[in-house]
Amino acid sequence: AQRVTQPEKLLSVFKGAPVELKCNYSYSGSPELFWYVQYSRQRLQLLLRHISRESIKGFTADLNKGETSFHLKKPFAQEEDSAMYYCALRMDSSYKLIFGSGTRLLVRP
Amino acid sequence: KAGVTQTPRYLIKTRGQQVTLSCSPISGHRSVSWYQQTPGQGLQFLFEYFSETQRNKGNFPGRFSGRQFSNSRSEMNVSTLELGDSALYLCASSSLAGVSYEQYFGPGTRLTVT
Repeated sequence: AQRVTQPEKLLSVFKGAPVELKCNYSYSGSPELFWYVQYSRQRLQLLLRHISRESIKGFTADLNKGETSFHLKKPFAQEEDSAMYYCALRMDSSYKLIFGSGTRLLVRP
Repeated sequence: KAGVTQTPRYLIKTRGQQVTLSCSPISGHRSVSWYQQTPGQGLQFLFEYFSETQRNKGNFPGRFSGRQFSNSRSEMNVSTLELGDSALYLCASSSLAGVSYEQYFGPGTRLTVT
């Protein structure tokens, strides 16, 4: 079955440290991967998508089909990055997203 | 543009009752999806509507149903409520334009079943 796995429930780092939030998926077709973020008291919003190969707020993520991973990285974490991060998978142009269980990122001063 | 709106924001119901939640998508968006978010199961897809037709459905019992109106507004209904239906119900809309599929989420309706 299709699945998205985020192995860390909580990731705590100090300001200025590098961050890597892990995401692995299981799907044999053509996946489309996303990272969504939810800041405190705000709604869930798209952070970035693999198709765009963009960097948003200093975050990047590369789709590795060989390792079926889509890890989110940032070289220098900021306190305002503290939030809940969800990895999501879209399968073969379907109109639904499968979400991982989420990772809470806590950036300490 | 105004964002996705959901009403009501909070709801308390008793077991056995039914409930209807409403979602107004971003103007021009014709696709509306519903998700259930709980601490134990995370975000789970319920169903997706486009032009008043349900195109995708998640693995939820038949007590969960939905519909979409001609103005793209959507409602979801849960009948015979159970304690386990307590959750945050999120609605998301999409324009389906462009290469990628981006969903815009509403603030959610917090349903508590007692």
